[in-house]
Amino acid sequence: DAGITQSPRYKITETGRQVTLMCHQTWSHSYMFWYRQDLGHGLRLIYYSAAADITDKGEVPDGYVVSRSKTENFPLTLESATRSQTSVYFCASSKREYNEQFFGPGTRLTVL
Amino acid sequence: AQKITQTQPGMFVQEKEAVTLDCTYDTSDPSYGLFWYKQPSSGEMIFLIYQGSYDQQNATEGRYSLNFQKARKSANLVISASQLGDSAMYFCAMRRSYGSSNTGKLIFGQGTTLQVKP
Repeated sequence: DAGITQSPRYKITETGRQVTLMCHQTWSHSYMFWYRQDLGHGLRLIYYSAAADITDKGEVPDGYVVSRSKTENFPLTLESATRSQTSVYFCASSKREYNEQFFGPGTRLTVL
Repeated sequence: AQKITQTQPGMFVQEKEAVTLDCTYDTSDPSYGLFWYKQPSSGEMIFLIYQGSYDQQNATEGRYSLNFQKARKSANLVISASQLGDSAMYFCAMRRSYGSSNTGKLIFGQGTTLQVKP
């Protein structure tokens, strides 16, 4: 029972490069979410998806792109990485909109 | 605007004692949900407990209970009989009412770091 996984777990990249963070869940949950966690800000929602091909912006979407062609995958792309995007990124999923969200292990991204 | 406030950046508790972590929230929605998550030093986010705004009774899950005071807009987490493994950061979060365009989105507080002393 893999649950929800993220890859890579650690990533170092340079300013201006494109980076894609992967998220995969095996529960067939309808809802999936991307958060970033920064000191002093807690967790903030970047994007979320209610189902395949349905996505919407969260609190801090600028500089990020998401897609969801399959229910189980929800990749997050930084089109042109900036230093301010250095953070820990968490993917989460929930069965229904009002259920608890289960989180992946996180990806620590450093942009040099 | 919706907001979650955790006023205790850090707390200490003696092993086997109970501890209360504070959480206050601000919302004008009639229906909402409140969650607590635990983040140990290893970094993962672990769901602990949930309280719906219309639930009549306070939620409990093992040693965790949620002291929900709707009129005061508070949803404090109570951990009974603290264990060394409870040392972690704890986040309070709120979900907006379902059926709205913001369905499912969680708003997090800034967290409280709890250290359990042996």
